[in-house]
Amino acid sequence: QKEVEQDPGPLSVPEGAIVSLNCTYSNSAFQYFMWYRQYSRKGPELLMYTYSSGNKEDGRFTAQVDKSSKYISLFIRDSQPSDSATYLCAMSRPNTDKLIFGTGTRLQVFP
Amino acid sequence: NAGVMQNPRHLVRRRGQEARLRCSPMKGHSHVYWYRQLPEEGLKFMVYLQKENIIDESGMPKERFSAEFPKEGPSILRIQQVVRGDSAAYFCASSPSLGSSTDTQYFGPGTRLTVL
Repeated sequence: QKEVEQDPGPLSVPEGAIVSLNCTYSNSAFQYFMWYRQYSRKGPELLMYTYSSGNKEDGRFTAQVDKSSKYISLFIRDSQPSDSATYLCAMSRPNTDKLIFGTGTRLQVFP
Repeated sequence: NAGVMQNPRHLVRRRGQEARLRCSPMKGHSHVYWYRQLPEEGLKFMVYLQKENIIDESGMPKERFSAEFPKEGPSILRIQQVVRGDSAAYFCASSPSLGSSTDTQYFGPGTRLTVL
């Protein structure tokens, strides 16, 4: 079983829709949670960073962490065609620097 | 304010040759990480370095792969005697100060290695 599971998609939605992206994980030691956006043939770009459980909002993006369920989510409001990319969740344990990534969910927002 | 720089962006090698991938961290960052991304897979951690020190190489294959981050110059990921299975995108990331889990990692554009 992978430490981090993420549905690869693709997820196709119309412009303006609310998008929900999710990851589950098996290791309760994870404390730091990140979402990266990766455009085709580019490097990952950090979108959101959260510590422990709770919500964090930044513009159209909201990140949620539910440690009791080992489940994290990224919501994108008013999705735009420019949001079309692969979204990677990543997490890490205290006192270690390596990030453990999900496989990524490919999102397509059509006009 | 330049971000993480990697070169070359594309590298083609024949089986048995050596591949050298270079990474210059963001200004003010002294911690470098290398990740590998195979097609249809997420990024896999390879190695974490500080200047002149390898801190964590738990993700590095035991043979043919090595990494360094010298006092001067970029970090180098070196793959000797490449095989087709080494074909992948290799990403470098850097973080600012002490490299704790609270320091976010910023990624470069990657080097796409193709082994013929």
